[in-house]
Amino acid sequence: DAGVIQSPRHEVTEMGQEVTLRCKPISGHDYLFWYRQTMMRGLELLIYFNNNVPIDDSGMPEDRFSAKMPNASFSTLKIQPSEPRDSAVYFCASSTPDLAAYEQYFGPGTRLTVT
Amino acid sequence: KQEVTQIPAALSVPEGENLVLNCSFTDSAIYNLQWFRQDPGKGLTSLLLIQSSQREQTSGRLNASLDKSSGRSTLYIAASQPGDSATYLCAVRPNSSASKIIFGSGTRLSIRP
Repeated sequence: DAGVIQSPRHEVTEMGQEVTLRCKPISGHDYLFWYRQTMMRGLELLIYFNNNVPIDDSGMPEDRFSAKMPNASFSTLKIQPSEPRDSAVYFCASSTPDLAAYEQYFGPGTRLTVT
Repeated sequence: KQEVTQIPAALSVPEGENLVLNCSFTDSAIYNLQWFRQDPGKGLTSLLLIQSSQREQTSGRLNASLDKSSGRSTLYIAASQPGDSATYLCAVRPNSSASKIIFGSGTRLSIRP
């Protein structure tokens, strides 16, 4: 299995531009999570999906952030318009209830820099 | 509100030493606890997961323990190697659903050759 795949790995954009981050979860995993990591705040859960349905988006910082999961193998996190304070590493993770433990598997992350 | 703390934030030890990383949580009602490793510029790799009914889990040179009543977990690394240098994070799952897990801020470990 290729694991969780994220693209792009690095993104540099100017303030005000739209940014779209992409994630392909591990095949067969029912849950998908989007996290943001910064030095100041550590790892923060932004939103998670179960069977393509958003379950908890309480971590989404503001309306500029949106996430979708149109099918079981693809999710996007969009920031529009982007701001310098959005600069962070964004991780996607997936898990399955099959193992009962809901162990999460993380992608390599997308490092976003907004100038 | 569950809070997860990892102290110290950074640790440096010479190669070959055995070491212990600490994780504490404020609410003992957890479903499980997971230890992750994160290398610079990389994602998180799951190392060990302990269910609330378990006391410890072992994988190679790693041993994780869990004491729910005191709100503590430790990750023991035996015979440390330079390749063990990374940031180690613990995370607790509050309940049996696949809802959010709560991460500590991590301990950055450096093994000196």
